[in-house]
Amino acid sequence: QSVLTQPPSTSGTPGQTVTISCSGSSSNIGSSAVNWYQHLPGTAPKLLIYFNNHRPSGVPDRFSGSKSGTSASLAISGLQSEDEADYSCAAWDDSLNGVVFGGGTRLTVL
Amino acid sequence: EVQLLESGGGLIQPGGSLRLSCAVSGFTFSNSAMSWVRQAPGKGLEWVSGISGSGAYTYYADSVKGRFTISRDNSKNTLYLQMNSLRAEDTAVYYCAKVGSSDWYNFDYWGQGTLVTVSS
Repeated sequence: QSVLTQPPSTSGTPGQTVTISCSGSSSNIGSSAVNWYQHLPGTAPKLLIYFNNHRPSGVPDRFSGSKSGTSASLAISGLQSEDEADYSCAAWDDSLNGVVFGGGTRLTVL
Repeated sequence: EVQLLESGGGLIQPGGSLRLSCAVSGFTFSNSAMSWVRQAPGKGLEWVSGISGSGAYTYYADSVKGRFTISRDNSKNTLYLQMNSLRAEDTAVYYCAKVGSSDWYNFDYWGQGTLVTVSS
């Protein structure tokens, strides 16, 4: 059971916009910024969004993040087949004194 | 180019010990906090442990506290994870990750991972 809650799966067709949610509490998302990671099976995870809504260089602007209260979201616009991957949110938890992840959301591009 | 290369994984019996290593290059290792993150089969990512650049500060997930020890050798640009009293639930791919800022959840580079299987 992950501390941050994400839907296990979502899907979309090419060109669509999909949104992945990440729900937490006052001890984590409510008091910490949120990062998002993209993870393809058999490969190293990749930093996608940092500090809620910043993109590292090389990440397309189709990817955007937001945070409100104890929840965060990742939006992917202009969906492409190569976006098919697992997406995980992460934050610091003051109560656990450690990093917490969401359970991950598997995105399928139909 | 930043590179992180884990090694030391393998098959180990319950109760056994294993030491993972992560050799890094492409950045000033001693200036960067580092972490270990794992992913069990069919599960999400789980943060295991973190260590400051100097090695003076360490953090552990409750699930491994008292059994795992994180350390680093800045002269060798290498991160370690000593895993003792291993359990079946420790079976996972273990990734080392570079912390990109003072925020421990900000992993800007990851290794490819090393598989640890705990089974009799």
